[in-house]
Amino acid sequence: RKEVEQDPGPFNVPEGATVAFNCTYSNSASQSFFWYRQDCRKEPKLLMSVYSSGNEDGRFTAQLNRASQYISLLIRDSKLSDSATYLCVVSLGGNQFYFGTGTSLTVIP
Amino acid sequence: DAGITQSPRHKVTETGTPVTLRCHQTENHRYMYWYRQDPGHGLRLIHYSYGVKDTDKGEVSDGYSVSRSKTEDFLLTLESATSSQTSVYFCAISESRRGFDEQYFGPGTRLTVT
Repeated sequence: RKEVEQDPGPFNVPEGATVAFNCTYSNSASQSFFWYRQDCRKEPKLLMSVYSSGNEDGRFTAQLNRASQYISLLIRDSKLSDSATYLCVVSLGGNQFYFGTGTSLTVIP
Repeated sequence: DAGITQSPRHKVTETGTPVTLRCHQTENHRYMYWYRQDPGHGLRLIHYSYGVKDTDKGEVSDGYSVSRSKTEDFLLTLESATSSQTSVYFCAISESRRGFDEQYFGPGTRLTVT
């Protein structure tokens, strides 16, 4: 079983829509959780670290559910520039990071 | 910007030749990592380093070696490249911020083995 699993999509949504991605992780000892954004042929870039209480950064909201072992990312008022692949990352601590395969988002005009 | 550069950015090489990829960082980070990214697999850890001359294997280390003789440089060597090593290679550092060890990536090296 993979450490981190994501729905690969693609998610195709109109501008202004709200879209949510979920990610599940297998190891209950996981300590830290992140969402990265990756544009085509570019490096992953940290979008948000996910705090246990959930956190918001502008149009982006991340939540953690430890009981069900999943994290989510909500994007409100989607922009064309949000089109990218979103990677879920889980850390066991000790600098061990596990990556999901990513969820592709295309925002349509 | 975590001050990470990778060289070369693109390389085409023939099967059986040795290849060395370089990762350079300017901010004295202790931890450095090499990943490869392939369709359907996400990023997979090849090797990582936790200090000068301190390295360890990751999930997909076969066929790769690393060296770290200076804090700022982490080298990845393919001793005898194979077509299965055609991939995009990313270097990363980790940094403690706000209680998390967060990873930051270099721009990547696109390697094609023919």
